[in-house]
Amino acid sequence: DARVTQTPRDKVTEMGQEVTMRCQPILGHNTVFWYRQTMMQGLELLAYFRNRAPLDDSGMPKDRFSAEMPDATLATLKIQPSEPRDSAVYFCASGLTDLGPQFFGPGTRLTVL
Amino acid sequence: GESVGLHLPTLSVQEGDNSIINCAYSNSASDYFIWYKQESGKGPQFIIDIRSNMDKRQGQRVTVLLNKTVKHLSLQIAATQPGDSAVYFCAEKEGTYKYIFGTGTRLKVLA
Repeated sequence: DARVTQTPRDKVTEMGQEVTMRCQPILGHNTVFWYRQTMMQGLELLAYFRNRAPLDDSGMPKDRFSAEMPDATLATLKIQPSEPRDSAVYFCASGLTDLGPQFFGPGTRLTVL
Repeated sequence: GESVGLHLPTLSVQEGDNSIINCAYSNSASDYFIWYKQESGKGPQFIIDIRSNMDKRQGQRVTVLLNKTVKHLSLQIAATQPGDSAVYFCAEKEGTYKYIFGTGTRLKVLA
């Protein structure tokens, strides 16, 4: 049963600390997305990769967020420095192509104190 | 893990009855739609999708109906079970890869 995996599942950190979230997309999927979900804003697209190339990061605060795909099995989202307003659930999703559905991971619940 | 907002519309359904969850979409040019189910503390789970060249698509216990005239999408769940309790939201494809996600409906299954 192929699934998107994410680590850590929960992260509590203090303001100013670096946070790194990791995602393993489904093997063979060529598109990877990072989303942030909050009660008030719902799902917001942060970054989009196709064939490991970053094609859209317009949803991310550029000065503190960065997203990379070092290889086809790993996508990372980093926040440095973290701020309390970054507290949210961060989801990674992958898809076989742009033409079909995205499949979401279980999320990382981030709390910045 | 709610989709959005503190006051999601709620649909309460008796176990065994059919559920119908509705979604209005915004762009008449959208050509692809997805329904997701999100249980508390989990990620959105793909249920079923439909392309704009279809009006109806059936899966296991679920049916999605698309009415392009009024830009309306619905998800029908047959013989609703306790495990169906979750937030359901639709996603409308915008452009090549972006999606507009609906606000979500909370489904409560009554025993």
